[in-house]
Amino acid sequence: EDKVVQSPLSLVVHEGDTVTLNCSYEVTNFRSLLWYKQEKKAPTFLFMLTSSGIEKKSGRLSSILDKKELFSILNITATQTGDSAVYLCAVEAVDYGGSQGNLIFGKGTKLSVKP
Amino acid sequence: GAGVSQSPRYKVTKRGQDVTLRCDPISSHATLYWYQQALGQGPEFLTYFNYEAQPDKSGLPSDRFSAERPEGSISTLTIQRTEQRDSAMYRCASSDGPGDWDEQFFGPGTRLTVL
Repeated sequence: EDKVVQSPLSLVVHEGDTVTLNCSYEVTNFRSLLWYKQEKKAPTFLFMLTSSGIEKKSGRLSSILDKKELFSILNITATQTGDSAVYLCAVEAVDYGGSQGNLIFGKGTKLSVKP
Repeated sequence: GAGVSQSPRYKVTKRGQDVTLRCDPISSHATLYWYQQALGQGPEFLTYFNYEAQPDKSGLPSDRFSAERPEGSISTLTIQRTEQRDSAMYRCASSDGPGDWDEQFFGPGTRLTVL
């Protein structure tokens, strides 16, 4: 059964700290791994990773994928209170037809950044 | 139902035509989401429903896009006067919790091609 596991489930840090969020997966026919930031009900797309070892960066956020060990990390440096959110990892798997991918989400990591 | 279903799985239309996509969520789920996924990108949030209410439609790219969920179950996404840039995978997801993040279960998607 395909699955995506995120850790930790929740994390409390102080402003300025650096955090690393983890996502491991077991899927058949992996296509891509996605990271989202969810505040309230609307998730914001952060990164899409398809190749191992290539870091993607956006400001203080960065992410990398290891397709051999089947995991990804999301790093946030110099955290701010506005980074408080649930961070979601999702994996897209190609179905047998190779045309439409199934999307499997992890349960998320709830990050709280204290002033 | 056993899972989230969407129809049609594929839709090809001519520019200027209207299209309506359907999502049938898991029957007990209160929350329903629509996402748009362009080729080579991750799914981007469009809108969501909590039963029949639509608290957030900030992700809809233009007023040609609208969504309904009149009885709090099945939802439709309508794109009027389609344009080629509307070509994408349209994904629907549902979740059953009242929280800001509850695990989302995705349907197979509708691949829309506008010629």
